Amino acid sequence: NAGVTQTPKFRILKIGQSMTLQCTQDMNHNYMYWYRQDPGMGLKLIYYSVGAGITDKGEVPNGYNVSRSTTEDFPLRLELAAPSQTSVYFCASSYSAQTMNTEAFFGQGTRLTVV
Amino acid sequence: AQSVSQHNHHVILSEAASLELGCNYSYGGTVNLFWYVQYPGQHLQLLLKYFSGDPLVKGIKGFEAEFIKSKFSFNLRKPSVQWSDTAEYFCAVNEPNTGGFKTIFGAGTRLFVKA
Repeated sequence: NAGVTQTPKFRILKIGQSMTLQCTQDMNHNYMYWYRQDPGMGLKLIYYSVGAGITDKGEVPNGYNVSRSTTEDFPLRLELAAPSQTSVYFCASSYSAQTMNTEAFFGQGTRLTVV
Repeated sequence: AQSVSQHNHHVILSEAASLELGCNYSYGGTVNLFWYVQYPGQHLQLLLKYFSGDPLVKGIKGFEAEFIKSKFSFNLRKPSVQWSDTAEYFCAVNEPNTGGFKTIFGAGTRLFVKA
């Protein structure tokens, strides 16, 4: 039972570098999400996707990009890393919002530090 | 915009003490409500959820929550906490009837249970 798998678990980036956080789920969920978690701030939604080929901005999308070419994968791209992007990133997935089972299943998280 | 407020950022209890964590949300329409738990070093896991029906919801590990619509509240309770309940607890809400699908999280409450 893999669920939601994120890689890498830890990463240190220099300012201006780019990287992609990988996320894959094997539950055939339509909806996928990227959150960032900052101390005392809870989780903020960066981007979400309601299905392959469809993505939309969340609360804090600036500095990030996403794509959803398949149902399983939802990578998050940081093009020019900034210290403000130091955070813990969580990928999540859920069934369609049109069903009652809308709870999210989370990956293990990626701790990113930008120096 | 929808928001979720958790009243206590840090709670310290002794084992066997009773727990109540407050959660209020701002949206007046139909909502789905959740409590997630994040144990140290782990990802978020669903504790319990409310969609409809009985406003008193029972979850895993002896936790329960009561939905009080008139107060826009969904407080989490446990009669007797254990050391293993030390974790961060997040209240969350989503709106099943919106065109998009966004789960909004509270800032979290860190619970420390003294053995």
